[in-house]
Amino acid sequence: DSGVTQTPKHLITATGQRVTLRCSPRSGDLSVYWYQQSLDQGLQFLIQYYNGEERAKGNILERFSAQQFPDLHSELNLSSLELGDSALYFCASSSSSDTQYFGPGTRLTVL
Amino acid sequence: LAKTTQPISMDSYEGQEVNITCSHNNIATNDYITWYQQFPSQGPRFIIQGYKTKVTNEVASLFIPADRKSSTLSLPRVSLSDTAVYYCLVGDGTNAGKSTFGDGTTLTVKP
Repeated sequence: DSGVTQTPKHLITATGQRVTLRCSPRSGDLSVYWYQQSLDQGLQFLIQYYNGEERAKGNILERFSAQQFPDLHSELNLSSLELGDSALYFCASSSSSDTQYFGPGTRLTVL
Repeated sequence: LAKTTQPISMDSYEGQEVNITCSHNNIATNDYITWYQQFPSQGPRFIIQGYKTKVTNEVASLFIPADRKSSTLSLPRVSLSDTAVYYCLVGDGTNAGKSTFGDGTTLTVKP
């Protein structure tokens, strides 16, 4: 158990819809990262927050957005969903050591 | 942004030592080298991290030559349960989020 929690575990929705994925980092970690992993693909870095502020941006689509709240939990919002957005979405957190601790992921299926 | 190169796949047999090498020619002075293990449909799990020379923990060893342009993850006496994807990640530890996961090495351990 990494100490990072993600909800929901599974999500099934239709094209065009909007969903919100939630992540709670390990206690004391200020950084939260979001990744997308499609079937048999590598991890694609989406975005990173540090203590509420956006720190780095990766291959995140304009239809996707994220935020980190004062209690340090983070949410990833995915809108106008397309079939190709079906994937595992991982959240990770880290402290100053840069070692990332990953959550169990949210499996999103867009039908 | 430190790019990493690893072999796409490796095969081994139970009880053997496995060495996976990662190339990171443009590693920066402040960058650490971190290795992760990922099983299907699970989040990556931290294995080991190092800066230079050799680091050993209860799971693996990490060898880093003086020029730091590569690193080798050594798994002693692998078992079937070590079958997974192994990622090498290079980052500067400042939470910049600019280090990226490559394609990883798929290790298959055979009986």
